[in-house]
Amino acid sequence: GAVVSQHPSWVICKSGTSVKIECRSLDFQATTMFWYRQFPKQSLMLMATSNEGSKATYEQGVEKDKFLINHASLTLSTLTVTSAHPEDSSFYICSGTSGEQETQYFGPGTRLLVL
Amino acid sequence: EDQVTQSPEALRLQEGESSSLNCSYTVSGLRGLFWYRQDPGKGPEFLFTLYSAGEEKEKERLKATLTKKESFLHITAPKPEDSATYLCAVQLLEDSTLTFGKGTMLLVSP
Repeated sequence: GAVVSQHPSWVICKSGTSVKIECRSLDFQATTMFWYRQFPKQSLMLMATSNEGSKATYEQGVEKDKFLINHASLTLSTLTVTSAHPEDSSFYICSGTSGEQETQYFGPGTRLLVL
Repeated sequence: EDQVTQSPEALRLQEGESSSLNCSYTVSGLRGLFWYRQDPGKGPEFLFTLYSAGEEKEKERLKATLTKKESFLHITAPKPEDSATYLCAVQLLEDSTLTFGKGTMLLVSP
């Protein structure tokens, strides 16, 4: 299957700071990328969908000014958590597809802990 | 409202003890149903996509089937390395997004 990487794999930050997470498709061009959040023992909750070169589409209840998504190239998307608070602590996972209706391949996830 | 329900929430098997996991869905206009495996602290790993009722797919000890209301993931003679959380997700005809169930946590004991 296709390979997606994320960096960093884990991050600890102080409340009020911003954190950037990178998601890269290593062996395919990801025209569409998705960002999910997963709390302990919960399933994946979609945060936003982004197409290369376009603004992201956010799911209801997700603050677009807090979770900034940039999909500047066909192999890279970034999620920036601005002014992070302890309740933002979670496991953030990205996925990419080579087409809107294609299989989503997931990255390994980024564990964020906000103190 | 579109819903995806997985059962059981958790399942403990002895090595070699075959069983099935269930994913039932109520959606309008299913394009595809996806099965993923997720190990603790990792992202989901793609297993299968099923598109139409009656379709079956196999991979090693796993076989996925699909009806108009549900999908089953059959595990034949499981091994301890099959221990993981198995997630199913649905994709609608008019949408590229996936809606996930809560998963079934499988533990296979030696």
